[in-house]
Amino acid sequence: SQTIHQWPATLVQPVGSPLSLECTVEGTSNPNLYWYRQAAGRGLQLLFYSVGIGQISSEVPQNLSASRPQDRQFILSSKKLLLSDSGFYLCAWSSRRSNYGYTFGSGTRLTVV
Amino acid sequence: DAKTTQPTSMDCAEGRAANLPCNHSTISGNEYVYWYRQIHSQGPQYIIHGLKNNETNEMASLIITEDRKSSTLILPHATLRDTAVYYCIVRTNQAGTALIFGKGTTLSVSS
Repeated sequence: SQTIHQWPATLVQPVGSPLSLECTVEGTSNPNLYWYRQAAGRGLQLLFYSVGIGQISSEVPQNLSASRPQDRQFILSSKKLLLSDSGFYLCAWSSRRSNYGYTFGSGTRLTVV
Repeated sequence: DAKTTQPTSMDCAEGRAANLPCNHSTISGNEYVYWYRQIHSQGPQYIIHGLKNNETNEMASLIITEDRKSSTLILPHATLRDTAVYYCIVRTNQAGTALIFGKGTTLSVSS
C-alpha cells in the first residue's frame, strides 16, 4: 500500500533561519506531489505542485521554494524564514494515472519566532 | 476550477444524518465534485467524489442534482468523530490540475 511520510511534525525556527521540510511517498511511482500551507485560522493554500522530477509549479509568490530531486521526494525550502511563514505545512500525493483522490501527510507545524 | 459555495457552519446531533450542501452553479461538463474533510490539526481526508451519478461508499453518500449545479454530502449516522471542516471542491481529473480548497463547512456533532 502507498504511504506518505512528512517530517518533522513540529518545528520552531528563528526569523532569518533556513528551512527544509521533506516529504516522501512509498508504494507508488510517478506520483503528483503537492505542498499546501494552512496559516492559523485560515484555509488551505496550495503552494507548489509537481508532476515529475525537476518539474515544479508555483501557485503563489512567496519566500519559499520547492524541489523534487527524486521521483518520490518533495522538499520545501526557504533561505530566510519570515514570521509570516508560520503555519501548518502539508504534503500530498495523487496518482498521475487517475489523479483522483489526494492523500495527505500528517503535516508539519512550523512556528517562526 | 469552478467555485463552490458552502454554509460556514452546521450542527448535527450524534446518530442523526448530517446533510452538507454545496452549490457549484458554474461547474463544467468535465468537472467532478469532490468532498474532503479536515479534522483539527490533521491533513485533509478524501471522502467521496462523483461526476453526475449519485455515489456511496463506506463513509458517505453523494447526491448530485440532475443539472449538476449543486450536491449534498450525507453522513448517515454522524458521530462525534465526524466533527470537522468539510470541503466541497470541483475540478477536472486532467494531469497537472491541483486541488484548490475553499473555506468549507465546519460541522459540529454533539451528543
